[in-house]
Amino acid sequence: DAGITQSPRHKVTETGTPVTLRCHQTENHRYMYWYRQDPGHGLRLIHYSYGVKDTDKGEVSDGYSVSRSKTEDFLLTLESATSSQTSVYFCAISESAPTSGRNQETQYFGPGTRLLVL
Amino acid sequence: ILNVEQSPQSLHVQEGDSTNFTCSFPSSNFYALHWYRWETAKSPEALFVMTLNGDEKKKGRISATLNTKEGYSYLYIKGSQPEDSATYLCAFSNSGYALNFGKGTSLLVTP
Repeated sequence: DAGITQSPRHKVTETGTPVTLRCHQTENHRYMYWYRQDPGHGLRLIHYSYGVKDTDKGEVSDGYSVSRSKTEDFLLTLESATSSQTSVYFCAISESAPTSGRNQETQYFGPGTRLLVL
Repeated sequence: ILNVEQSPQSLHVQEGDSTNFTCSFPSSNFYALHWYRWETAKSPEALFVMTLNGDEKKKGRISATLNTKEGYSYLYIKGSQPEDSATYLCAFSNSGYALNFGKGTSLLVTP
């Protein structure tokens, strides 16, 4: 299994509070991703990183920010949590970009974080 | 946002049945098509990455084919077993860094 951990694994918070989720990898992979998974929507990309300090927005980035100060850590922050951000959040990593056309672009997923915003 | 469609949404088969499901994706600017297997309470697990038209990949009883010209991929499971019960996701990439996931096909195999 790829060495990916997420913390916390479960969190309950109140509307309006800031929340930071952490993804940590031991694979030294360049690319890291944050997805959210909701019933009826499948996996949707929030933000991704293609290197230290290099990040960009995904499909559902509103209300989220990210930071990557070192290769192994990718942080997802909800500046002011809302109930619509209640979801399961998955981090993923890959050695290569999805456009590389090689097996190295396979994404490996972390165990997920369940977030409930009351 | 690229539209990746998977069908059927769910499937219930008996142990020993063979089954298949479909992933449809835009055929322009194709780079790769991924299949993932996602068991309840676990993380998605990569099955295949396919890049060339006509690609066929196999892993045990599971195989997949790819038609990039018409924009579809099939996933086949031969002789389904209860442990095959999971959601099967496909994801498509055409440019940039993002994978666009379908909503998945939920497979239930009963003894």
